[in-house]
Amino acid sequence: DQQVKQNSPSLSVQEGRISILNCDYTNSMFDYFLWYKKYPAEGPTFLISISSIKDKNEDGRFTVFLNKSAKHLSLHIVPSQPGDSAVYFCAASSSGNQFYFGTGTSLTVIP
Amino acid sequence: NAGVTQTPKFRILKIGQSMTLQCTQDMNHNYMYWYRQDPGMGLKLIYYSVGAGITDKGEVPNGYNVSRSTTEDFPLRLELAAPSQTSVYFCASSYTPAATGELFFGEGSRLTVL
Repeated sequence: DQQVKQNSPSLSVQEGRISILNCDYTNSMFDYFLWYKKYPAEGPTFLISISSIKDKNEDGRFTVFLNKSAKHLSLHIVPSQPGDSAVYFCAASSSGNQFYFGTGTSLTVIP
Repeated sequence: NAGVTQTPKFRILKIGQSMTLQCTQDMNHNYMYWYRQDPGMGLKLIYYSVGAGITDKGEVPNGYNVSRSTTEDFPLRLELAAPSQTSVYFCASSYTPAATGELFFGEGSRLTVL
């Protein structure tokens, strides 16, 4: 049973525009969320996180929004750059030792 | 810093063979994890460890074993390999528990069981 879902397998965006990647979760006990970026033949690398006490966290071009009532989070990348082309995973945790990962969204930024 | 190092990067096994995936981290992290990623799927936790001598099962532990004799090393053992274990395996470590910190991943080990 997939507790973290990324319903868009792929997304294409023009360079300079905004990329919005979405993630939904089912477990209301999740209280810590992260986004990871993965290039082919490499391990995932940490991008940005947010705890459930916040609804927004920014780091440069990357902003994560959390809507707890809707059990939804999104990652905004502005402006998008060709180097952002990668697979993005969201992950969630509930005060334990286990992260639950979504299936990933492949982002392509078109120059 | 090397970070998290996994070996081998690629391996082909025959059904019924056994092997060990090696994982070493040089960040002095207490927490270490093994994930597998099947095509089109998210990462699934196989086993994790909160410190030397302590391991616990994740979501998909069947067919695997782990040990943690040192802080640095967390090998994953596959006994009697099956085609269902064809996957990409990622080792990860963290300084704090999953609830508060980020995971640092290795580059992955691609395993094919024929």
